[in-house]
Amino acid sequence: AQKVTQAQTEISVVEKEDVTLDCVYETRDTTYYLFWYKQPPSGELVFLIRRNSFDEQNEISGRYSWNFQKSTSSFNFTITASQVVDSAVYFCALSDPTGNQFYFGTGTSLTVIP
Amino acid sequence: EPEVTQTPSHQVTQMGQEVILRCVPISNHLYFYWYRQILGQKVEFLVSFYNNEISEKSEIFDDQFSVERPDGSNFTLKIRSTKLEDSAMYFCASGQDRALTEAFFGQGTRLTVV
Repeated sequence: AQKVTQAQTEISVVEKEDVTLDCVYETRDTTYYLFWYKQPPSGELVFLIRRNSFDEQNEISGRYSWNFQKSTSSFNFTITASQVVDSAVYFCALSDPTGNQFYFGTGTSLTVIP
Repeated sequence: EPEVTQTPSHQVTQMGQEVILRCVPISNHLYFYWYRQILGQKVEFLVSFYNNEISEKSEIFDDQFSVERPDGSNFTLKIRSTKLEDSAMYFCASGQDRALTEAFFGQGTRLTVV
């Protein structure tokens, strides 16, 4: 069965600190997709990144970076030099190869203190 | 940039009333989804829809729920007789391919049942 675990419920950091949000997943599929979404206080889901199971290259996009480790079934997300606007709930999600549904983690609420 | 549009952004309804949530997916997308998020909880899959029929649905999607693509552009979620526990943020999503590898979510409709 598919499952996504985000063990960190809430994190607070001071502005300009780096912060890593953890995501561990479980799946029996060999092909799958991993995602991160940001949910700001306004409530919408903002797509951040998609990764397929065959691509273990780490990715950097500005202050965001992602570390995909298939050996540990983890897909962690790091924000460098955090800013107040990064305050949001961040969801990690897993899609099975049928793509019929996503399995979301419970989210990590990040607060960046000015 | 193309986007998924949901209306209304917030709906308040009395318990027992029928409610229809509307979504306009991205025009060339073929796969459509509804998710919901009860306040403070994770995002849960409700239903996926392709070729004018339901592809998959979760346990949450019982007989009170139905989906329709009435006119080739709108994708609606109907709740026949709302319950207090239906209060949640409802997200529509659409994708061009089955794997939903780039998940375009709408901004959500906040449903409050009183």
